Amino acid sequence: DTEVTQTPKHLVMGMTNKKSLKCEQHMGHRAMYWYKQKAKKPPELMFVYSYEKLSINESVPSRFSPECPNSSLLNLHLHALQPEDSALYLCASSPSQGWNQPQHFGDGTRLSIL
Amino acid sequence: AQKITQTQPGMFVQEKEAVTLDCTYDTSDPSYGLFWYKQPSSGEMIFLIYQGSYDQQNATEGRYSLNFQKARKSANLVISASQLGDSAMYFCAMREPGNQFYFGTGTSLTVIP
Repeated sequence: DTEVTQTPKHLVMGMTNKKSLKCEQHMGHRAMYWYKQKAKKPPELMFVYSYEKLSINESVPSRFSPECPNSSLLNLHLHALQPEDSALYLCASSPSQGWNQPQHFGDGTRLSIL
Repeated sequence: AQKITQTQPGMFVQEKEAVTLDCTYDTSDPSYGLFWYKQPSSGEMIFLIYQGSYDQQNATEGRYSLNFQKARKSANLVISASQLGDSAMYFCAMREPGNQFYFGTGTSLTVIP
């Protein structure tokens, strides 16, 4: 079992829907990350939160909106997505943003846009 | 230039045999961390092993070991006594101070019974 919990595991939505992905960790980590991963490709970084503040936004379209309500929770709000946004969305956390710290990933949410 | 290079898109290994997955990296920073992750078809990314640039010894974690050759800038993953459950995608990654993870393109490992 992973220590980073993501819900839901699967999500199918239409292009006009609004939905949210959730991520939770109780390891006391202060850095949290959202990645997007297409099939047979490495994960691509989307957002980084450090001490609950957004520190990196990798030029992600505004239809993706991250939120960090507290040090344990990370949300990704989705609105008006496109079919090319269908992918596996991975959340990760690490104690801080140190170069010697592994990121611990959740199981991911498989998102399909109709 | 690619920060992380994995040259083996796919590998096959017989059950109970050892296998080496290649990873080379490119950095001019003296401080960096190297990481290996396993991703089964179910999707979760599982952290396997870490090697720091200042570590003198090769990292080991159970059946996983990292063959760290600093001068060659290589960080190969060795899996001993392969099991069917080792069939998965394996990603090598690096992090430098002030930067985020660089992932390689991955190696798909298939363990044959």
